[in-house]
Amino acid sequence: GAVVSQHPSWVICKSGTSVKIECRSLDFQATTMFWYRQFPKQSLMLMATSNEGSKATYEQGVEKDKFLINHASLTLSTLTVTSAHPEDSSFYICSASAGNTGANVLTFGAGSRLTVL
Amino acid sequence: DAKTTQPPSMDCAEGRAANLPCNHSTISGNEYVYWYRQIHSQGPQYIIHGLKNNETNEMASLIITEDRKSSTLILPHATLRDTAVYYCIVGSNNAGNMLTFGGGTRLMVKP
Repeated sequence: GAVVSQHPSWVICKSGTSVKIECRSLDFQATTMFWYRQFPKQSLMLMATSNEGSKATYEQGVEKDKFLINHASLTLSTLTVTSAHPEDSSFYICSASAGNTGANVLTFGAGSRLTVL
Repeated sequence: DAKTTQPPSMDCAEGRAANLPCNHSTISGNEYVYWYRQIHSQGPQYIIHGLKNNETNEMASLIITEDRKSSTLILPHATLRDTAVYYCIVGSNNAGNMLTFGGGTRLMVKP
């Protein structure tokens, strides 16, 4: 089955530093990947749609200069949280569709938990 | 605006069937119903999807009403490991389209 890998699974950083999270589709190519954010006891919120070879599409209220997304290949998208602050502490999850089921079935990564001190 | 409505929580006895309802009265003709679940601190896991016919796989069954305005996910023999938040989502079948998550139902399977 389709597998999406995220790295790191958890990271702790100091306020003001930048953190990069990688999302890889291991056994399929993904022209589109999605980045979600989840705060404790809340649902997943879509942050942006990552498009291979072009700029990401950000949801309303998500700062594109703070959450940099790069989708340089068909199997890798990265999310960089720049100048992280404690309010950026969250669970970040990526997903992609292998596109082989005839429907929009998304495979999700295991998530990356960011804690900003 | 949320496209689906689910009860915030449900309990189920271990070994019994868990029936999770979802209302999606504004579903469009070409939108599918998708079900995912999220076990604590993990990424969501795909369960099943359907357009208008009832569907069954190794994990669950999906019953969609004839008018497609509601559906029910059935876990036939719930186990403790089925404790999770279950999300019902309606969306396009286009692989390039995102899926929007609502609040989901927190299912607690009890011994």
